[in-house]
Amino acid sequence: KAGVTQTPRYLIKTRGQQVTLSCSPISGHRSVSWYQQTPGQGLQFLFEYFSETQRNKGNFPGRFSGRQFSNSRSEMNVSTLELGDSALYLCASSLAGRQSPLHFGNGTRLTVT
Amino acid sequence: GNSVTQMEGPVTLSEEAFLTINCTYTATGYPSLFWYVQYPGEGLQLLLKATKADDKGSNKGFEATYRKETTSFHLEKGSVQVSDSAVYFCAPNRGSTLGRLYFGRGTQLTVWP
Repeated sequence: KAGVTQTPRYLIKTRGQQVTLSCSPISGHRSVSWYQQTPGQGLQFLFEYFSETQRNKGNFPGRFSGRQFSNSRSEMNVSTLELGDSALYLCASSLAGRQSPLHFGNGTRLTVT
Repeated sequence: GNSVTQMEGPVTLSEEAFLTINCTYTATGYPSLFWYVQYPGEGLQLLLKATKADDKGSNKGFEATYRKETTSFHLEKGSVQVSDSAVYFCAPNRGSTLGRLYFGRGTQLTVWP
Protein backbone atom coordinates (compact mmCIF):
# COMPACT_ATOMS: atom_id res chain seq x y z
CA LYS A 1 0.00 0.00 0.00
CA ALA A 2 1.44 3.37 -0.96
CA GLY A 3 2.21 5.78 1.84
CA VAL A 4 1.34 9.45 2.15
CA THR A 5 2.77 11.38 -0.78
CA GLN A 6 3.62 15.07 -0.57
CA THR A 7 4.63 17.23 -3.48
CA PRO A 8 6.81 19.05 -4.13
CA ARG A 9 9.59 17.86 -1.85
CA TYR A 10 11.44 21.19 -1.90
CA LEU A 11 10.26 24.68 -2.71
CA ILE A 12 11.96 28.06 -2.76
CA LYS A 13 9.82 31.18 -2.86
CA THR A 14 10.33 34.87 -2.24
CA ARG A 15 8.50 37.05 0.24
CA GLY A 16 5.06 38.11 -0.86
CA GLN A 17 4.49 35.15 -3.14
CA GLN A 18 1.99 32.41 -2.51
CA VAL A 19 2.48 28.66 -2.51
CA THR A 20 0.34 25.54 -2.77
CA LEU A 21 1.41 22.22 -1.28
CA SER A 22 -0.19 18.93 -2.15
CA CYS A 23 -0.85 15.76 -0.17
CA SER A 24 -2.19 12.39 -1.28
CA PRO A 25 -3.26 10.26 1.68
CA ILE A 26 -3.09 6.51 2.06
CA SER A 27 -5.89 4.86 0.15
CA GLY A 28 -8.96 4.59 2.36
CA HIS A 29 -7.90 7.30 4.78
CA ARG A 30 -10.39 10.14 4.93
CA SER A 31 -8.75 12.28 7.58
CA VAL A 32 -5.87 14.54 6.55
CA SER A 33 -3.95 16.81 8.89
CA TRP A 34 -1.23 19.36 8.28
CA TYR A 35 1.62 20.33 10.59
CA GLN A 36 4.37 22.92 10.41
CA GLN A 37 7.77 21.92 11.80
CA THR A 38 10.45 24.46 12.65
CA PRO A 39 13.52 24.22 14.90
CA GLY A 40 12.19 26.98 17.13
CA GLN A 41 8.53 26.02 17.51
CA GLY A 42 8.67 22.29 16.93
CA LEU A 43 5.58 20.63 15.46
CA GLN A 44 2.55 22.86 15.28
CA PHE A 45 -0.87 21.79 14.13
CA LEU A 46 -2.26 23.71 11.17
CA PHE A 47 -5.59 22.10 10.33
CA GLU A 48 -7.43 18.85 9.89
CA TYR A 49 -9.90 17.77 7.24
CA PHE A 50 -12.34 14.91 7.14
CA SER A 51 -14.69 14.23 4.25
CA GLU A 52 -13.91 17.61 2.66
CA THR A 53 -14.77 19.52 5.86
CA GLN A 54 -12.31 21.34 8.06
CA ARG A 55 -12.72 19.83 11.52
CA ASN A 56 -10.00 21.64 13.44
CA LYS A 57 -7.77 24.61 12.91
CA GLY A 58 -4.61 25.56 14.75
CA ASN A 59 -3.50 29.02 15.75
CA PHE A 60 -2.19 30.30 12.43
CA PRO A 61 -3.09 33.48 10.55
CA GLY A 62 -5.62 33.48 7.76
CA ARG A 63 -2.83 33.42 5.19
CA PHE A 64 -2.74 29.69 5.82
CA SER A 65 -5.62 27.83 4.27
CA GLY A 66 -6.42 24.36 3.06
CA ARG A 67 -8.95 22.19 1.42
CA GLN A 68 -9.75 18.57 0.83
CA PHE A 69 -11.16 17.05 -2.30
CA SER A 70 -13.69 14.27 -2.72
CA ASN A 71 -10.88 11.73 -3.26
CA SER A 72 -9.41 12.80 0.12
CA ARG A 73 -6.41 14.47 -1.47
CA SER A 74 -5.61 17.74 0.24
CA GLU A 75 -3.86 21.00 -0.52
CA MET A 76 -2.68 23.77 1.68
CA ASN A 77 -2.03 27.29 0.54
CA VAL A 78 0.05 30.03 2.08
CA SER A 79 -0.40 33.52 0.68
CA THR A 80 1.80 36.57 1.09
CA LEU A 81 4.75 34.52 2.22
CA GLU A 82 6.94 35.75 5.05
CA LEU A 83 10.46 34.70 5.97
CA GLY A 84 9.08 33.03 9.10
CA ASP A 85 7.03 30.65 6.97
CA SER A 86 10.19 28.76 6.09
CA ALA A 87 9.59 25.31 7.52
CA LEU A 88 8.99 21.67 6.86
CA TYR A 89 5.29 21.15 6.17
CA LEU A 90 4.07 17.69 7.04
CA CYS A 91 0.87 16.07 5.95
CA ALA A 92 -0.60 13.07 7.75
CA SER A 93 -3.54 10.82 7.04
CA SER A 94 -5.47 8.45 9.25
CA LEU A 95 -8.55 6.32 9.52
CA ALA A 96 -11.38 7.65 11.65
CA GLY A 97 -11.24 6.94 15.36
CA ARG A 98 -9.13 8.12 18.27
CA GLN A 99 -7.05 4.95 18.31
CA SER A 100 -5.91 5.41 14.74
CA PRO A 101 -2.37 6.69 14.40
CA LEU A 102 -1.31 9.34 11.96
CA HIS A 103 0.72 8.30 8.93
CA PHE A 104 3.04 11.06 7.81
CA GLY A 105 4.51 11.95 4.47
CA ASN A 106 8.12 13.03 4.12
CA GLY A 107 7.10 16.66 3.99
CA THR A 108 7.64 19.69 1.79
CA ARG A 109 10.61 21.83 2.71
CA LEU A 110 9.64 25.45 2.03
CA THR A 111 12.30 28.14 2.01
CA VAL A 112 11.23 31.76 1.78
CA THR A 113 13.92 34.25 0.76
CA GLY B 1 -6.42 21.40 27.22
CA ASN B 2 -3.82 18.84 26.22
CA SER B 3 -0.07 19.24 26.59
CA VAL B 4 3.05 17.13 26.65
CA THR B 5 6.24 17.47 28.65
CA GLN B 6 9.04 15.49 27.14
CA MET B 7 12.55 14.91 28.36
CA GLU B 8 14.93 17.51 27.01
CA GLY B 9 17.65 16.34 24.70
CA PRO B 10 20.00 15.76 23.25
CA VAL B 11 20.61 12.30 24.64
CA THR B 12 23.91 10.68 23.77
CA LEU B 13 24.49 6.98 24.46
CA SER B 14 26.92 4.26 23.57
CA GLU B 15 25.70 1.27 21.62
CA GLU B 16 23.97 -1.36 23.80
CA ALA B 17 23.19 1.16 26.54
CA PHE B 18 19.75 1.36 28.17
CA LEU B 19 17.47 4.16 26.98
CA THR B 20 14.69 5.99 28.80
CA ILE B 21 12.94 9.04 27.42
CA ASN B 22 10.42 10.48 29.87
CA CYS B 23 7.05 11.77 28.76
CA THR B 24 4.18 13.12 30.85
CA TYR B 25 0.98 14.57 29.52
CA THR B 26 -2.11 16.45 30.53
CA ALA B 27 -5.28 15.62 28.71
CA THR B 28 -9.00 15.97 28.86
CA GLY B 29 -10.90 12.83 28.24
CA TYR B 30 -9.16 9.55 27.65
CA PRO B 31 -6.44 9.97 25.04
CA SER B 32 -4.60 7.36 23.07
CA LEU B 33 -0.84 7.74 23.43
CA PHE B 34 1.75 7.51 20.69
CA TRP B 35 5.50 7.61 20.21
CA TYR B 36 6.78 8.73 16.83
CA VAL B 37 10.32 8.72 15.47
CA GLN B 38 11.81 11.04 12.85
CA TYR B 39 14.95 10.15 10.95
CA PRO B 40 16.92 12.90 9.20
CA GLY B 41 15.19 14.23 6.12
CA GLU B 42 12.03 12.24 6.68
CA GLY B 43 8.58 12.63 8.14
CA LEU B 44 7.44 11.07 11.38
CA GLN B 45 6.91 7.34 11.67
CA LEU B 46 4.73 5.67 14.24
CA LEU B 47 6.92 3.75 16.67
CA LEU B 48 4.31 2.40 19.08
CA LYS B 49 0.99 3.20 20.66
CA ALA B 50 -1.23 2.42 23.65
CA THR B 51 -4.93 3.10 23.83
CA LYS B 52 -5.93 2.37 27.43
CA ALA B 53 -4.52 2.35 30.92
CA ASP B 54 -1.79 -0.23 31.60
CA ASP B 55 -1.49 -1.06 27.90
CA LYS B 56 2.09 -1.64 26.82
CA GLY B 57 3.03 -0.64 23.31
CA SER B 58 6.11 -2.25 21.80
CA ASN B 59 8.00 -2.26 18.52
CA LYS B 60 11.61 -2.82 17.40
CA GLY B 61 12.70 -3.38 21.01
CA PHE B 62 11.11 -0.16 22.24
CA GLU B 63 8.40 -0.26 24.91
CA ALA B 64 6.14 2.23 26.66
CA THR B 65 3.37 1.67 29.20
CA TYR B 66 0.26 3.83 29.52
CA ARG B 67 0.26 4.98 33.13
CA LYS B 68 -2.98 6.79 33.79
CA GLU B 69 -2.31 7.36 37.48
CA THR B 70 0.93 9.24 36.75
CA THR B 71 -0.15 10.47 33.28
CA SER B 72 3.09 9.17 31.84
CA PHE B 73 4.19 7.22 28.79
CA HIS B 74 7.95 6.77 29.11
CA LEU B 75 9.85 5.21 26.21
CA GLU B 76 12.44 2.51 26.99
CA LYS B 77 14.81 0.26 25.11
CA GLY B 78 17.14 -2.20 26.70
CA SER B 79 19.97 -2.01 24.19
CA VAL B 80 20.18 0.83 21.69
CA GLN B 81 21.84 0.63 18.29
CA VAL B 82 23.51 3.25 16.13
CA SER B 83 20.52 2.98 13.78
CA ASP B 84 18.23 4.22 16.59
CA SER B 85 19.75 7.69 16.28
CA ALA B 86 16.79 9.94 15.51
CA VAL B 87 14.36 12.39 17.10
CA TYR B 88 11.60 10.87 19.23
CA PHE B 89 8.23 12.50 19.84
CA CYS B 90 5.64 11.68 22.46
CA ALA B 91 2.06 12.54 21.50
CA PRO B 92 -1.34 12.05 23.10
CA ASN B 93 -4.28 12.63 20.85
CA ARG B 94 -7.25 14.69 21.77
CA GLY B 95 -9.78 12.07 22.68
CA SER B 96 -12.65 13.32 20.62
CA THR B 97 -10.95 14.33 17.40
CA LEU B 98 -9.21 12.52 14.64
CA GLY B 99 -6.02 14.09 13.43
CA ARG B 100 -4.88 16.46 16.09
CA LEU B 101 -1.96 15.21 18.09
CA TYR B 102 -0.22 17.23 20.75
CA PHE B 103 3.49 16.74 20.20
CA GLY B 104 6.26 17.18 22.70
CA ARG B 105 9.34 19.12 21.68
CA GLY B 106 11.09 15.96 20.61
CA THR B 107 14.19 14.30 22.04
CA GLN B 108 17.26 13.97 19.85
CA LEU B 109 18.99 10.64 20.45
CA THR B 110 22.51 9.99 19.21
CA VAL B 111 24.01 6.53 19.63
CA TRP B 112 27.77 6.09 19.22
CA PRO B 113 29.37 2.80 18.21
